[in-house]
Amino acid sequence: AQSVTQLDSQVPVFEEAPVELRCNYSSSVSVYLFWYVQYPNQGLQLLLKYLSGSTLVKGINGFEAEFNKSQTSFHLRKPSVHISDTAEYFCAVESGKLTFGQGTILTVHP
Amino acid sequence: DTAVSQTPKYLVTQMGNDKSIKCEQNLGHDTMYWYKQDSKKFLKIMFSYNNKELIINETVPNRFSPKSPDKAHLNLHINSLELGDSAVYFCASSRGHTLNTEAFFGQGTRLTVV
Repeated sequence: AQSVTQLDSQVPVFEEAPVELRCNYSSSVSVYLFWYVQYPNQGLQLLLKYLSGSTLVKGINGFEAEFNKSQTSFHLRKPSVHISDTAEYFCAVESGKLTFGQGTILTVHP
Repeated sequence: DTAVSQTPKYLVTQMGNDKSIKCEQNLGHDTMYWYKQDSKKFLKIMFSYNNKELIINETVPNRFSPKSPDKAHLNLHINSLELGDSAVYFCASSRGHTLNTEAFFGQGTRLTVV
């Protein structure tokens, strides 16, 4: 069985500050890893994904994530956030079916 | 030019009623899904269909019945609605039946059972 844990339910930051949203997973088999973003009253959209190859993955809107197999983590980072990044972020792992974490609400303050 | 569209967007209904949520995708994808997002924002897969065939059926009450008339549509019918069914239901689609390709989500249907 696979599971995903997002360690922070809410992350408040100021505009232009760096941010890291943490994600740990457990799985007995090889996995694919994803980050999705959900803006208010909208569906989820893909931010980035790790399938294989380089462990540092770059996504849309300046986000990146690093796959760390030994720590079973896939933390999401952005060096400088904008107000428009305020949303809920979901980490997900897939090995046959997609399993989501509980979500992290990122709130960017001016 | 919506890729995955769900109707209705909001649905308020009384306990015991039967209701349906429709989903259509115009991406030419083979696989469609239904997810439930509960009050704690936890997203969990309910069903997955590939080319109109059921391939994932999680532990979901029999009151929930998906129907796929063609591979562009996956509707969700719910019988005898209960208070605990209140949630946001998301439809999604992808090119294959393993999600190592991107999944595209609809905007969600907020179901409130009173």
